[in-house]
Amino acid sequence: DTAVSQTPKYLVTQMGNDKSIKCEQNLGHDTMYWYKQDSKKFLKIMFSYNNKELIINETVPNRFSPKSPDKAHLNLHINSLELGDSAVYFCASSQDSVWGYTFGSGTRLTVV
Amino acid sequence: KQEVTQIPAALSVPEGENLVLNCSFTDSAIYNLQWFRQDPGKGLTSLLLIQSSQREQTSGRLNASLDKSSGRSTLYIAASQPGDSATYLCAVTQGGKLIFGQGTELSVKP
Repeated sequence: DTAVSQTPKYLVTQMGNDKSIKCEQNLGHDTMYWYKQDSKKFLKIMFSYNNKELIINETVPNRFSPKSPDKAHLNLHINSLELGDSAVYFCASSQDSVWGYTFGSGTRLTVV
Repeated sequence: KQEVTQIPAALSVPEGENLVLNCSFTDSAIYNLQWFRQDPGKGLTSLLLIQSSQREQTSGRLNASLDKSSGRSTLYIAASQPGDSATYLCAVTQGGKLIFGQGTELSVKP
């Protein structure tokens, strides 16, 4: 019944590795997002996709590459992980912002 | 550039008190405003959504108001309980995305 689900919940990896986070929503929403919550708990948008098309790319390093195989899925691949990438990454979805946003439970990424 | 500010950053109150959390934004051209709750180590739970044409929304002990012209919103929590302890986040929708404030960390003591 989970509306927006992310996997994995926790991810610990070494610097330089490549990792992926997956997100799926069963709400039938057209738009999906990735947000990053830093160590100070501040949330900021990274990307948004509308029906598989990239809409927003918010000055994120090229090491981050989102992929949307269909409108229910939005994955985030990160190359050459750095210590500063440690954060909580949230996936979200919306159907025409009028109705607000639904967030997943987050993926806590720790780079060591 | 839209900036969202929440005051206070942290608040500690005894159980049973009524309290107000404040949110301000610099650009009034918003689509709507949403209040979220975040428990430690958890995701975001939507509490209330106020459209730009609305003045307030209520859900149980929560009431959120919006004054778009002055760039302000308040979240009123009546008869606070220890279970209300969490971080409360205010966010405005603009340009197809949510722009968040830094949050107010609320602690309700028994």
